[in-house]
Amino acid sequence: GAVVSQHPSWVICKSGTSVKIECRSLDFQATTMFWYRQFPKQSLMLMATSNEGSKATYEQGVEKDKFLINHASLTLSTLTVTSAHPEDSSFYICSAYGQGLSPLHFGNGTRLTVT
Amino acid sequence: GIQVEQSPPDLILQEGANSTLRCNFSDSVNNLQWFHQNPWGQLINLFYIPSGTKQNGRLSATTVATERYSLLYISSSQTTDSGVYFCAADRGGNQFYFGTGTSLTVIP
Repeated sequence: GAVVSQHPSWVICKSGTSVKIECRSLDFQATTMFWYRQFPKQSLMLMATSNEGSKATYEQGVEKDKFLINHASLTLSTLTVTSAHPEDSSFYICSAYGQGLSPLHFGNGTRLTVT
Repeated sequence: GIQVEQSPPDLILQEGANSTLRCNFSDSVNNLQWFHQNPWGQLINLFYIPSGTKQNGRLSATTVATERYSLLYISSSQTTDSGVYFCAADRGGNQFYFGTGTSLTVIP
């Protein structure tokens, strides 16, 4: 149980376009989802916390207008990278938390390459 | 967020050797998890261990919350143990902050 599905697993886009990444909890209701970013050979950095039905809370230094997060249902959160640039190329990973469930479960990540 | 430091940053082991990875955190935590990240980026849960000691096969972990550290023990290491090991700590609300990672290479 407690499966988190992330889609797509990889995406290549042109500079200036927007990309949407989906994170779904398949067998539980995720009251809270988290988005992380990982550059090559570095650690995972928490970008934002997403609660169902409310605005996301962004970590310091993360541009909320650049990284749009929507958590419209208890099983789906989306991250949209708007007007992507090559420096946005990274590995993005979501995780989800359901009431009474521990530990935290992660999706398999999305590798974004902006050309 | 809290600061999470791991040591050593890199480790090379001969197959069959034992090792200890350390995770220090700057504040009291509600939860702590250890992960193994494979070459494809997948995070594999190893332990959910806010306190105490747990064992799973050749791996075990101990967290001493009052002293703000956790240890991951790998015994009789195998080449498949290679990869990056992360600890992640949460002060509450499941906002996990990841450590700097230990890159482990096990050579045959």
